[in-house]
Amino acid sequence: KAGVTQTPRYLIKTRGQQVTLSCSPISGHRSVSWYQQTPGQGLQFLFEYFSETQRNKGNFPGRFSGRQFSNSRSEMNVSTLELGDSALYLCASSYQGTEETQYFGPGTRLLVL
Amino acid sequence: GENVEQHPSTLSVQEGDSAVIKCTYSDSASNYFPWYKQELGKGPQLIIDIRSNVGEKKDQRIAVTLNKTAKHFSLHITETQPEDSAVYFCAAINPNTGNQFYFGTGTSLTVIP
Repeated sequence: KAGVTQTPRYLIKTRGQQVTLSCSPISGHRSVSWYQQTPGQGLQFLFEYFSETQRNKGNFPGRFSGRQFSNSRSEMNVSTLELGDSALYLCASSYQGTEETQYFGPGTRLLVL
Repeated sequence: GENVEQHPSTLSVQEGDSAVIKCTYSDSASNYFPWYKQELGKGPQLIIDIRSNVGEKKDQRIAVTLNKTAKHFSLHITETQPEDSAVYFCAAINPNTGNQFYFGTGTSLTVIP
């Protein structure tokens, strides 16, 4: 099976812009979670989607949003980018999303200038 | 929520020696504890996991132990090799907060040839 794929792999934006990142889960996986990874804060949970519904949300401002499509692919959007949004954004998928292994993609590295 | 602490933050060992990384968690309801290895430029990869109904699990050179009473779990790597050099993360899932992984802050392991 193909692993979790994320596009684009690298992105450079300027403050105030918005960005959309995409994640394709492992075939058959219905749960997609997003994480932000920074040197200072480590891996922090953004949100989880299951069957096109946001099931769980971390402690991030409303500028961070996401959605999931009927084929389980997911996108996350960050509006009004700030310098502090520079990070590696990781997507992880699992079958049902309940107390089970999550498989991570390679991430999208976002740099905000 | 859950708070996961991980020690040490950096670890250097000679090739062939053993490496041990320790994590503690705060909520006794947490019941699933995966360990991930992250190499430079890649997403985290699952290397081993353990559930709360098991005290120890081994996979070749890698083992994980869990002490539910003390709320800590450890990763043991024996006969270390240079390719084991990476950042290792522990995580915990608390069923009361959905499928959100709470990650430790990571351990940068260097295996010196």
